[in-house]
Parts: sequence; structure tokens; C-alpha cells
Amino acid sequence: AQSVTQLDSHVSVSEGTPVLLRCNYSSSYSPSLFWYVQHPNKGLQLLLKYTSAATLVKGINGFEAEFKKSETSFHLTKPSAHMSDAAEYFCVVRPPNTGNQFYFGTGTSLTVIP
Amino acid sequence: DGGITQSPKYLFRKEGQNVTLSCEQNLNHDAMYWYRQDPGQGLRLIYYSQIVNDFQKGDIAEGYSVSREKKESFPLTVTSAQKNPTAFYLCASSMGQRGNQPQHFGDGTRLSIL
Repeated sequence: AQSVTQLDSHVSVSEGTPVLLRCNYSSSYSPSLFWYVQHPNKGLQLLLKYTSAATLVKGINGFEAEFKKSETSFHLTKPSAHMSDAAEYFCVVRPPNTGNQFYFGTGTSLTVIP
Repeated sequence: DGGITQSPKYLFRKEGQNVTLSCEQNLNHDAMYWYRQDPGQGLRLIYYSQIVNDFQKGDIAEGYSVSREKKESFPLTVTSAQKNPTAFYLCASSMGQRGNQPQHFGDGTRLSIL
């Protein structure tokens, strides 16, 4: 069975400090992994994706994530939080050979304190 | 610009009424999806379609119906059988089984009960 666990439902950071949003997955094979951001009353916007190339993936708005197979993790980081980063973040897994199935984490709400 | 268009942005339903949410994409994607999002929760899959004239139930299909007569369009009908329809509805598309491509999302439709 496939599953995605976002370890924190809420994260609060001060502006200018690092951001860490944690994601663990279970998959029989190396999946494709994605991080999305959602601002209020908006759709999901792709931040970055891992598709079995480099394990450190750089995305938009200064975000990056590292795929660690041994830990089945794909944590999202940013060196310095900006007020505009306050949003909901979703980790998504797409296992191989399962058609078009995508599995979503329950989301992490990021608050940035001025 | 290519993308996914959902309409209307806000929709109100009366008791016993069916309503239809529109989703159109010009990305030439094979697969399309409908998700429901409740406050503070992640996304739950209602229906998905991998090709024209074919669709499958997701995790919460009861009270909903879809059609896929054209590649670009995947409308969702919320029927009167859906007793708790108030939610944010998101439509997405993906390239299908080719490669490890992500989903692209529309900006959502917020449905409320009158």
C-alpha cells in the first residue's frame, strides 16, 4: 500500500529563519515525489519534483528537497522564510506502474512570523 | 497560456438541486481528476479519468457523477444525494502514464449550501 505522511500539521517560523517541512512515504518501488503549495482559495502550485535524477531537487521560490531512499523521506527546506511563504504545503507521491494514481499527504500549514 | 480553468469560482446549491462544476484544460493531458477539500484537510479523490469516455471512482464518489466526452473537459455533477456538499473542489490533469509528470491544478470552485 502506498502512503504519504507529513509529520507536522502546523509549522511556525520567524521571517528570515530556515524552513523544514517533513514528508515520509511508503512505496514498494522508487516513486516520483512532488511538493505543492496552496495559498488560500487557490489551487495547488507545483514547487518541485523528484523523478529519479539528482537526489537534491531545487524548486521555485528558493525551496529545495532531498530524496533519501534509506529513510524514505523527501523533506522540503528553504534557507530563509519570507512572509509570502505562509501557505499550505502538500507532499505527493506517484508510485511507478500504478497508472495515474497520486497519493497526497494531509498537508502542513506554514505560518511565518514577522 | 496553457492551463486548467474551473468555473464558476463560487457556487450555491439549494436543497434537492443538482449542480455541475466545469473543468476545462488546454494542456492536451490524457488524465483528469476531481478532488474535494474540506477545511484543514487534505485532498480526497472523487473521480478520475485516464482517457476519453472512461472514468473510475475515487475514494468518495457517492453523490457525485462525471462525464468525459472530450479530452479537454471533465465536468463534475454534485447530485442531491450528496448530503454534505459544502467544500472546495479542485480539478487537476496530468500527462497520463508517460514519464513521471506532475498534476496541474485549476483554481478551484467553492460550493456552498443555501
